[in-house]
Amino acid sequence: DAKTTQPNSMESNEEEPVHLPCNHSTISGTDYIHWYRQLPSQGPEYVIHGLTSNVNNRMASLAIAEDRKSSTLILHRATLRDAAVYYCILRDGNNAGNMLTFGGGTRLMVKP
Amino acid sequence: ETGVTQTPRHLVMGMTNKKSLKCEQHLGHNAMYWYKQSAKKPLELMFVYSLEERVENNSVPSRFSPECPNSSHLFLHLHTLQPEDSALYLCASSQVGLPDEQFFGPGTRLTVL
Repeated sequence: DAKTTQPNSMESNEEEPVHLPCNHSTISGTDYIHWYRQLPSQGPEYVIHGLTSNVNNRMASLAIAEDRKSSTLILHRATLRDAAVYYCILRDGNNAGNMLTFGGGTRLMVKP
Repeated sequence: ETGVTQTPRHLVMGMTNKKSLKCEQHLGHNAMYWYKQSAKKPLELMFVYSLEERVENNSVPSRFSPECPNSSHLFLHLHTLQPEDSALYLCASSQVGLPDEQFFGPGTRLTVL
């Protein structure tokens, strides 16, 4: 799977929007962009994924650059429960094994 | 029970012991995974089972032995482990195909003395 680059950590204030960036300059045409997060003492949980168009769900929004070389996960109103490590992962759509390669992720700290 | 469950949640074992980690998914999925999460390292994929057949083994030492008797259960058999094998072992499941959201269990915290 192609590599992603994320900042090691970010801080946010509670109830403010958070934009978590991810660079994936070597993305291929069949790579989906997935985001997972891992809350303290828990396994990772799926957040959102997309291919080319921006995506919204109840947890977050995903904004994908037109050239697909970067994307941004948007939390519209951060809460203390959103403090977690956020992983941006590229998944080959032709990969039948559904394998995910996790990087270091971004540790999001939310201040009250 | 719902989602993905793992037992035990915590395990302490000596280097000469044999133990097994168990994972069960109640989601009707047909793929299951073992991951290892060591301190200050990214999650590492260890094994993948798709339709009960092992499709990936990421150069994992033979002291780790997976078993998938059916699509709902996954085991990781451990023997003669080393202290550096101490980590959080996570199980996940998914439905093969797209979208392929993986659902993770809470993990087993393993300490090897």
